[in-house]
Amino acid sequence: GAVVSQHPSWVICKSGTSVKIECRSLDFQATTMFWYRQFPKQSLMLMATSNEGSKATYEQGVEKDKFLINHASLTLSTLTVTSAHPEDSSFYICSALQRFSYEQYFGPGTRLTVT
Amino acid sequence: AQSVTQLDSQVPVFEEAPVELRCNYSSSVSVYLFWYVQYPNQGLQLLLKYLSGSTLVKGINGFEAEFNKSQTSFHLRKPSVHISDTAEYFCAVSSTGNTGKLIFGQGTTLQVKP
Repeated sequence: GAVVSQHPSWVICKSGTSVKIECRSLDFQATTMFWYRQFPKQSLMLMATSNEGSKATYEQGVEKDKFLINHASLTLSTLTVTSAHPEDSSFYICSALQRFSYEQYFGPGTRLTVT
Repeated sequence: AQSVTQLDSQVPVFEEAPVELRCNYSSSVSVYLFWYVQYPNQGLQLLLKYLSGSTLVKGINGFEAEFNKSQTSFHLRKPSVHISDTAEYFCAVSSTGNTGKLIFGQGTTLQVKP
């Protein structure tokens, strides 16, 4: 149990276009989901906290107008990278916090490459 | 505010040898502690967690960790490693009072050699 999926697993897009990444909790409800960004050989950097039915909370330095987060249901959160640029290329990982638990379950990640 | 320091960026070790990956944290409030493993191009998998109770925590794949409050440490150990343990390991902390926000250490690459 406690599986989190991400779609797509990898995507290549042209500079200036937008890309949407989905994060789903498959077998549990997640009132809170988190979005992380990971550069090669580095740790995970928390970008934002997404709560179902409310606006996401962004970490300092993360552009909320560039990284749009929507958490429309208890099993789905989406991250849209708007007007992507090559510097947005990264590995994006989501996690879901199981209700009444302190354990986060991580998705497999999405590799974004902007050309 | 919390912070996590993983003292070793890389740990090379021979197969079947014991290993310890070090983690120290800083926090002004009570914390929960976690160790995650990440294989190449994959997400994170929870190895073990400390929430309360016994300070010696056993996890999956033969790993264990000991919470030492006085030294603010949560070192990860395994008595005998396998080639398949080669991966990136992350220590993380969250405060007991918030919504699960994790602060990660920089990661330690465990390289198991035959």
